[in-house]
Amino acid sequence: QLQLQESGPGLLKPSETLSLTCTVSGGSISGRSYYWGWTRQPPGKGLEWIASIYYAGNTYYNPSLRSRVTISVDTSRNQFSLRLSSVTAADTAIYYCAKEHYDILTGQRTTSDIWGQGTLVTVSS
Amino acid sequence: DIVMTQSPDSLAVSLGERATINCKSGQSVLYTSNNKNYLAWYQQKPGQPPKLLIYWASTRESGVPDRFSGSGSGTDFTLTISSLQAEDVAIYYCQQYYSTPYTFGQGTKLEIK
Repeated sequence: QLQLQESGPGLLKPSETLSLTCTVSGGSISGRSYYWGWTRQPPGKGLEWIASIYYAGNTYYNPSLRSRVTISVDTSRNQFSLRLSSVTAADTAIYYCAKEHYDILTGQRTTSDIWGQGTLVTVSS
Repeated sequence: DIVMTQSPDSLAVSLGERATINCKSGQSVLYTSNNKNYLAWYQQKPGQPPKLLIYWASTRESGVPDRFSGSGSGTDFTLTISSLQAEDVAIYYCQQYYSTPYTFGQGTKLEIK
């Protein structure tokens, strides 16, 4: 059974770079029918999709964060990662990684059916 | 970006009664080429990640009880819980995956009356 687990520092200072890794277990990150994404949720608030990546390196980004975000994949380690630069208090959130369905025939990403438990990242001086 | 607006923001329903949550998209999420609505519903319980309930606006994810149903097309969608159970207390989100960036509604908090 596929499982995802986020890892990374839980506390950052303003202007630092957030780096998170999602480890995929119980299956291969190189599956052709999947994308891998990051979504965040500020405490007590709603969900915001950040970015997604294919095992081959194809990426999608939320334009609102694009200038500060980099998503990458390491197929040898079955992991994908998120970097968010110049963080502020507004970036304080639970960060989730998730598996997205990808329809090879249509080239469309769709829903996220498997999610990690999330990791809380707090930005504070 | 496609703005997703849910109503109501919160809802209290008696056990065994019907709960209805609405979601409106800022533009149509219906792909005319395949006649599919690119709309999903997620359930999020406290301290847990979102759980996919419904995709293509009306297809239940495997393992989701049949008291959950989705309907609608174009810009107006509804999630219905036919007979509310205690374990259904959660926040429900709609999401469009018609175009990037994928966006979510603000959430509807469902409680027991």
